Amino acid sequence: EDQVTQSPEALRLQEGESSSLNCSYTVSGLRGLFWYRQDPGKGPEFLFTLYSAGEEKEKERLKATLTKKESFLHITAPKPEDSATYLCAVRGGAQKLVFGQGTRLTINP
Amino acid sequence: NAGVTQTPKFRILKIGQSMTLQCTQDMNHNYMYWYRQDPGMGLKLIYYSVGAGITDKGEVPNGYNVSRSTTEDFPLRLELAAPSQTSVYFCASTPYSGGGNTEAFFGQGTRLTVV
Repeated sequence: EDQVTQSPEALRLQEGESSSLNCSYTVSGLRGLFWYRQDPGKGPEFLFTLYSAGEEKEKERLKATLTKKESFLHITAPKPEDSATYLCAVRGGAQKLVFGQGTRLTINP
Repeated sequence: NAGVTQTPKFRILKIGQSMTLQCTQDMNHNYMYWYRQDPGMGLKLIYYSVGAGITDKGEVPNGYNVSRSTTEDFPLRLELAAPSQTSVYFCASTPYSGGGNTEAFFGQGTRLTVV
């Protein structure tokens, strides 16, 4: 059964304090690993797709990396507007798109 | 450019009532998904479809039914609503591609309360 586990559940940082979020997964026939951002009361907003181990993607202060068992979302010098819930999902051979429970990130000014 | 449209945005149901949550996409996507999200939690997959006429169960299908008669529409039916079905429901769609690594587009959600 496809599974995604994210850690930590919640993370509070000071503005400018870099850190990483973890996404561990088990999936049969990985077709893609996805990172989303979700603001309160809104639907998830797409950030990155990673497909193969060793792949990296960057967007502003965010960088996503992938290994065969986990993915990291690195946040460099975050700003208060980066506060959100970050969701990780995997899509396997059965085409199901399975999400983790998310990491609630708070950046204090 | 509508994308994924969900209706209604809000609904209050009484215990035992039934309703259908509507989801329509205008991007000709093959794959469609229904999720529920409880407060402070991630998204749990209820049902999904890989094309018209084909549906399959996700992680939490009990109490729900779906159908997919067209590529565009993927309604979610709640029969005999229970308080445990109070949640925010999201519909999503993705296109088919050979590599499969394409992102899902989400609707804005339906906030359902069962009292």
